[in-house]
Amino acid sequence: EAGVAQSPRYKIIEKRQSVAFWCNPISGHATLYWYQQILGQGPKLLIQFQNNGVVDDSQLPKDRFSAERLKGVDSTLKIQPAKLEDSAVYLCASSPGALMNTEAFFGQGTRLTVV
Amino acid sequence: QKEVEQNSGPLSVPEGAIASLNCTYSDRGSQSFFWYRQYSGKSPELIMFIYSNGDKEDGRFTAQLNKASQYVSLLIRDSQPSDSATYLCAVKTSGSRLTFGEGTQLTVNP
Repeated sequence: EAGVAQSPRYKIIEKRQSVAFWCNPISGHATLYWYQQILGQGPKLLIQFQNNGVVDDSQLPKDRFSAERLKGVDSTLKIQPAKLEDSAVYLCASSPGALMNTEAFFGQGTRLTVV
Repeated sequence: QKEVEQNSGPLSVPEGAIASLNCTYSDRGSQSFFWYRQYSGKSPELIMFIYSNGDKEDGRFTAQLNKASQYVSLLIRDSQPSDSATYLCAVKTSGSRLTFGEGTQLTVNP
């Protein structure tokens, strides 16, 4: 079974530029999460999708971050314009569904450096 | 108050000892609890989950849950140097929202 795929693996941009990350969840997984993990901290939930609907985006900085999950499969996360403090690893995870005891599987992440 | 809090690290234990990792959570409606391990530069990977009060054992790992005290722990018996990693406690609340703690860094010394 293929895992969660993310691209790119690494990205370096200048502040005020825009960037986009892509995630392809495990086939059949209805729930998709985007997390931001700053070095030395735990993953912080940015947005959660159930199929193609947003379940939780309470911690998404909506003035600069946006995300979509068209057709309930792939997802993209965009930052525009980027700030220095956005430097982090962006993790995508997927889960089979809304059942409480189902685990989330993580992709390898995208390491973003804003200079 | 943070939604999920873990005991501050780093934690250092000798090889063969028991490592104890603790986590508390604020939402009494939380129903599922997960322990993930994260090696440096890698993504989190699930060690085990628990959703009933009591203990759950899997090999050298034991998860303990006390919903009344809003407390979950992970014990690692016979710790090995390969167990050296950051351990993340995650809590699933209503709507399957999965919230992580800040993690506890564990070092097992040979």
